[in-house]
Amino acid sequence: TQLLEQSPQFLSIQEGENLTVYCNSSSVFSSLQWYRQEPGEGPVLLVTVVTGGEVKKLKRLTFQFGDARKDSSLHITAAQPGDTGLYLCAGARPRGKLQFGAGTQVVVTP
Amino acid sequence: GAGVSQTPSNKVTEKGKYVELRCDPISGHTALYWYRQSLGQGPEFLIYFQGTGAADDSGLPNDRFFAVRPEGSVSTLKIQRTERGDSAVYLCASSLGAGAGDTQYFGPGTRLTVL
Repeated sequence: TQLLEQSPQFLSIQEGENLTVYCNSSSVFSSLQWYRQEPGEGPVLLVTVVTGGEVKKLKRLTFQFGDARKDSSLHITAAQPGDTGLYLCAGARPRGKLQFGAGTQVVVTP
Repeated sequence: GAGVSQTPSNKVTEKGKYVELRCDPISGHTALYWYRQSLGQGPEFLIYFQGTGAADDSGLPNDRFFAVRPEGSVSTLKIQRTERGDSAVYLCASSLGAGAGDTQYFGPGTRLTVL
């Protein structure tokens, strides 16, 4: 059972468009992480958000943590084909245990 | 530098057989995690090692699953009497420690198919 709900499940856009992926939970997390996973590979950490209301930017990616630390969003500006992948959010549990959402599959076509 | 490696990359077995999946963590990482990722899902936690000991095995689905890390480095996930429902990608991750600030580095996974 995935206690972190991600939406949408699938997103297909053209190069240059913007997109937003959402991650929602009924639980409060001490921190929330975003990963990108490509076929045949393990997830790779993009960012960790810790403080409620926090906004972090990583080039064209903007991550936001909700004030109540239960939800988060990932916004990509001017998407490129290299942004294609499975985007996963994960809440941090004690002792480093991660609780993942089901992921959003993003496809960016040239 | 070397990342987390997992062998084999693919394993096909028959229902009822025994399998072992190996994980080589990044050198010096004391924490090691096993996750299972079914098709269309995110990874699900199985077990966490701190050094040689299993500090948290609450994610193991049943007693057919067992994992060891005898020297605090390489870990082996063992599955007895495999079932078709065990088919998934098994991911291993390691980190320097188990704190909130410790990044987990994932291996490429072992794809297990039980026929």
